[in-house]
Formats: sequence, C-alpha cells, structure tokens
Amino acid sequence: EAGVAQSPRYKIIEKRQSVAFWCNPISGHATLYWYQQILGQGPKLLIQFQNNGVVDDSQLPKDRFSAERLKGVDSTLKIQPAKLEDSAVYLCASSQSSVHEQYFGPGTRLTVT
Amino acid sequence: AQSVAQPEDQVNVAEGNPLTVKCTYSVSGNPYLFWYVQYPNRGLQFLLKYITGDNLVKGSYGFEAEFNKSQTSFHLKKPSALVSDSALYFCALRSGAGSYQLTFGKGTKLSVIP
Repeated sequence: EAGVAQSPRYKIIEKRQSVAFWCNPISGHATLYWYQQILGQGPKLLIQFQNNGVVDDSQLPKDRFSAERLKGVDSTLKIQPAKLEDSAVYLCASSQSSVHEQYFGPGTRLTVT
Repeated sequence: AQSVAQPEDQVNVAEGNPLTVKCTYSVSGNPYLFWYVQYPNRGLQFLLKYITGDNLVKGSYGFEAEFNKSQTSFHLKKPSALVSDSALYFCALRSGAGSYQLTFGKGTKLSVIP
C-alpha cells in the first residue's frame, strides 16, 4: 500500500513570496490533516478535512494560509505572503476516519529567508 | 484544555539495555494516547496506541507502553535497545470529541550507544 505522498520535499523562498505544498493521502482515507512542525517542537495541527469539508481550522493563520481538498482526495496548502517564522516542516497525514490512527507523509521543509 | 508533556529532551541508553521514554498527559474525560517515532528527514511513523482495555500496550518494533491512570502517564518502553532505535519519539493525546484533534508533546531524542 502506498503511503502519503508530499511534494516538494524542500523549498527555499524569500519573505513575502508565496508557496504551495501538495499532498496525496493513502487511498480510501477520508480524513486529511496538515501540520506545522517547527524545529524542536511537536507537530501542530493547522487544518483537518473530512472528505472535502473542513472539520477544524482553528489554528490556521487565515490571513496568510489557505488550504483546499477538492474532490476529497489531494490537498494543497498555500502560504501568501510568507514570513520568516513560517520556516518549518509541513506534514500531511491521513486516516480512515478521525478516530483512526494517522499516517504521515515525509514532509516539506520550508525555509523563508 | 488537553496537554502532553515529555519531560526529557534527550535519553541516552546503552545498546542491549532497557529503555524508557516518559510521557504524562492532562485531559478531561478518557484519554486516547499514541506514540510516534520520527527518523531524520522522514515523517512520523505510528508505533502504538491506547484506547481502552489492558494497561500494557504492545506495538511495532518490540516497543510497548504502559498506561497508568492514577499517575496520568503513558511511558514508552523496550526491553533491549538497538542502535537503530535512535530517533525522535513523540507522545500524542487525542481528544474524545469534536474533531478528535491530536496534541503532540515536544518530543524526546533517543540515542542508543553501541
């Protein structure tokens, strides 16, 4: 069974630029999550989708971050404009449902200069 | 509000010795607890979970965890450490309602010394 796929793996941008990350979850998984992991900290949930609907986006900085999951499969996370403090690893995860264990992709390491 | 604490930033253990990585939690209601491992430049891998039932939970790669309700702890253990166990370990707590959001601890770096 293929795991969660993410691209790109690494991205370097200047502040005020925009960036987008892509995630393809495990086939059949209804729930998709985006996490931000800052160096030395545990992952922090940014947004959770159930199929193509948003379940929880309470910690998403909505003035600059946006995410969508069209057709309930792939998802994109966008940052516009980026700030220095957005430098982190962005992890995508999926699960069969919100009560099942989550499976994580390899992450995208973002560096904002 | 729910929270997870991993009191040790780093744990060093000699190969072949038993290892313990500590985790304590705070939540109203029943806890749902998880352990994940993260190798360099890779995503988190699920190790084991406690939902209900036996307090000793067995997981992947020979790891187990002991749930202790009175001490609000969920320590990760392994009888004999391997060098390949060296990684970053995260304890996580899931809420029992709403979005069932996972709250992660800050992680513990385990180093197994040959």
